[in-house]
Amino acid sequence: ETGVTQTPRHLVMGMTNKKSLKCEQHLGHNAMYWYKQSAKKPLELMFVYNFKEQTENNSVPSRFSPECPNSSHLFLHLHTLQPEDSALYLCASSASGGGIQPQHFGDGTRLSIL
Amino acid sequence: QKEVEQDPGPLSVPEGAIVSLNCTYSNSAFQYFMWYRQYSRKGPELLMYTYSSGNKEDGRFTAQVDKSSKYISLFIRDSQPSDSATYLCAMSVSGAGSYQLTFGKGTKLSVIP
Repeated sequence: ETGVTQTPRHLVMGMTNKKSLKCEQHLGHNAMYWYKQSAKKPLELMFVYNFKEQTENNSVPSRFSPECPNSSHLFLHLHTLQPEDSALYLCASSASGGGIQPQHFGDGTRLSIL
Repeated sequence: QKEVEQDPGPLSVPEGAIVSLNCTYSNSAFQYFMWYRQYSRKGPELLMYTYSSGNKEDGRFTAQVDKSSKYISLFIRDSQPSDSATYLCAMSVSGAGSYQLTFGKGTKLSVIP
């Protein structure tokens, strides 16, 4: 299997549930990212991990909790979400280092909060 | 003023037409410019990226950057129905912040057979 794989593809959850999104990359990259894509809005960067260390948290509410156990895997733990959190959550990965390192995206998890 | 402005469309063209997609930006520190294509129910796929000003060509696709006008373009020649997708521009500064991509909202393109 190649590229960036995200599971599940679709998730419906209540506001009091706890769930996790999973991302796995097979590209040998060292940087991984979580993005939120909402209708009629640009992609929003949420978190960045570089060599398993979190290097960016773009003022994301604490109900979103990322975890990066190694350079190939990234999780997003969800709890007590709000209806406005319904969106497509995209994972991406890239090489690390100087210069532009193109980011490669998975197909996302479509999250719906009831 | 938003950092990156992109007309959301939708843009509908006949097969074989030349398509022009554009973004304007306000941050003069942007040095890297990218175009992604996103099919329905799929993640964004990197099409092309360029550094600073100039043109880059790849098959039917040409990316142009005009830093003096803060304007970037993607041209698609001989457009095909398979080009129907949403096209996202993205850009970043150089150096330590180059991983921080700022995206446009995307332009939805339909190529009609």
